[in-house]
Amino acid sequence: GAGVSQSPRYKVAKRGQDVALRCDPISGHVSLFWYQQALGQGPEFLTYFQNEAQLDKSGLPSDRFFAERPEGSVSTLKIQRTQQEDSAVYLCASSPGAGAADEQFFGPGTRLTVL
Amino acid sequence: SQKIEQNSEALNIQEGKTATLTCNYTNYSPAYLQWYRQDPGRGPVFLLLIRENEKEKRKERLKVTFDTTLKQSLFHITASQPADSATYLCALDPSGTYKYIFGTGTRLKVLA
Repeated sequence: GAGVSQSPRYKVAKRGQDVALRCDPISGHVSLFWYQQALGQGPEFLTYFQNEAQLDKSGLPSDRFFAERPEGSVSTLKIQRTQQEDSAVYLCASSPGAGAADEQFFGPGTRLTVL
Repeated sequence: SQKIEQNSEALNIQEGKTATLTCNYTNYSPAYLQWYRQDPGRGPVFLLLIRENEKEKRKERLKVTFDTTLKQSLFHITASQPADSATYLCALDPSGTYKYIFGTGTRLKVLA
């Protein structure tokens, strides 16, 4: 079966533009995570969905970042008025359950470059 | 402050040897710890999970240990191969829920 997919794979935006990053999780997976990964660093947690409910958005860096998963499957991470410090790889992951013992299946990421 | 430390420098080893990677943490009491592999341009891939009441976990050529007293996990790859070259990330769950904190990763290079 298909794994987690993300689109676009690469995005270049001018400072101040809005961007939308899409994640298609594995079908039937309850949990969905968004992470930000800077070069040479590990993924940093942004937000967590359990089905359509956004249970945790404590990692979102500012109110310019917004995520949704309206039907409990596909998710979109939106960044408004992009800044250069937003440049990073944005990773999406899904897992079948909602517990800490579930492995996370990651997508390939979207590399965002803000000029 | 809370943090996770992994060898920041790359680890180079000869093919066939055992690679040992370290993950140290402070100010956490995680119930679970996971190890992931990440290749350039790709997302992390899950390798192993170990629980706080488990001392050791094995999967094929991989072995993970978890010492909650030392606050340390060791990740071993035996009979290493050039295809094992990648960045290895440890991740722990500080609150027994879904929210994992990742280390910065250690880049392993296995030389033929």
